[in-house]
Amino acid sequence: QKEVEQDPGPLSVPEGAIVSLNCTYSNSAFQYFMWYRQYSRKGPELLMYTYSSGNKEDGRFTAQVDKSSKYISLFIRDSQPSDSATYLCAMRGAGGTSYGKLTFGQGTILTVHP
Amino acid sequence: NAGVTQTPKFRVLKTGQSMTLLCAQDMNHEYMYWYRQDPGMGLRLIHYSVGEGTTAKGEVPDGYNVSRLKKQNFLLGLESAAPSQTSVYFCASSQRSGRASTDTQYFGPGTRLTVL
Repeated sequence: QKEVEQDPGPLSVPEGAIVSLNCTYSNSAFQYFMWYRQYSRKGPELLMYTYSSGNKEDGRFTAQVDKSSKYISLFIRDSQPSDSATYLCAMRGAGGTSYGKLTFGQGTILTVHP
Repeated sequence: NAGVTQTPKFRVLKTGQSMTLLCAQDMNHEYMYWYRQDPGMGLRLIHYSVGEGTTAKGEVPDGYNVSRLKKQNFLLGLESAAPSQTSVYFCASSQRSGRASTDTQYFGPGTRLTVL
């Protein structure tokens, strides 16, 4: 069983829809949670970052972490065709030796059609 | 700033051949990483470096070697390529600040490698 599970999709939604992307994980030591966005044939770029449990909002994007359920989510409101990309969750433990050692999910391919 | 650049962008090798992938960053970052990305597998860490002259193994290091002779460069070597090493390779860099870091890793555009 992978440490981080992410439904690869693909997910296709109409423009303006609310999108929900999710990851589950098994390692209770994970404390830092990230979402990266990767456009086709490009490198990933950091989209959202959260520490421990709770919500974080940035424009149309909201990241949620539920450590009790080992479940993280990314919500995209008013989705746009420009949001079409692969979304990767990533996480790591606390402590200095864990810095940089990210465990990624498989990525979810999202298409927003006009 | 160019950010993170990778050379080459594409390469086709025959089984048993060797090659070196070059990663360069101009952000003065201490940390550098090599990942491979395969369908359905996400990004997996091959090797990483926490500073000039240091390297360490990641999740899938077998069949690869790395060197970090200069702070701005991180080289990934395949001594004897195998078809299982067909993948897209990404280099990334990050800077750990004195306060809590956001773990922002800056990725290069990737190298598409096919081993026949």
